[in-house]
Amino acid sequence: QRVTQPEKLLSVFKGAPVELKCNYSYSGSPELFWYVQYSRQRLQLLLRHISRESIKGFTADLNKGETSFHLKKPFAQEEDSAMYYCALSSNAGKSTFGDGTTLTVKP
Amino acid sequence: EAGVAQSPRYKIIEKRQSVAFWCNPISGHATLYWYQQILGQGPKLLIQFQNNGVVDDSQLPKDRFSAERLKGVDSTLKIQPAKLEDSAVYLCASTLWTSAGEQFFGPGTRLTVL
Repeated sequence: QRVTQPEKLLSVFKGAPVELKCNYSYSGSPELFWYVQYSRQRLQLLLRHISRESIKGFTADLNKGETSFHLKKPFAQEEDSAMYYCALSSNAGKSTFGDGTTLTVKP
Repeated sequence: EAGVAQSPRYKIIEKRQSVAFWCNPISGHATLYWYQQILGQGPKLLIQFQNNGVVDDSQLPKDRFSAERLKGVDSTLKIQPAKLEDSAVYLCASTLWTSAGEQFFGPGTRLTVL
């Protein structure tokens, strides 16, 4: 199993839409998550695909055909600046994280 | 509820020395994870416990790393002897039951091997 986040760095202006990409490879039915780490804080869960909810204006849709789980927000805020990690849990319970994307929202 | 606790927060050692990290998960959480996060990379799972049994340790370098979770509560991760490439942040996380649930992370231990 593998998780790929193709963008190491992403910079947008406040109010602009943002999309953080996540692609995965796994033969079974994965559980997918987005975790976020704000400056000087712990890594924490942002959202997971099974709950299908919007957290802090972020949404993510699991596309099994494209094996993707991209994170989106229509209007970025400065407080969204953080490190974002996509993660996959296998049926056996093994967790795999991507290498993360640093999002910077400029005023 | 109290979060995941880890100690020490920082550790500097010389190569070939030994080091141990401690983690106390959230009370009642059955699953405990140790991750290694090298600068610029995502967390890499080293070992996963379910209560006091090992679920996955396929990525643990067993010639130098060891971990235990006696009594199914807190856990220690040891490196003996350390190498330069072990410099990283070591993260501990716990979930209530399985990894399909939210993982709660500790603050991490930053290890520097000189």
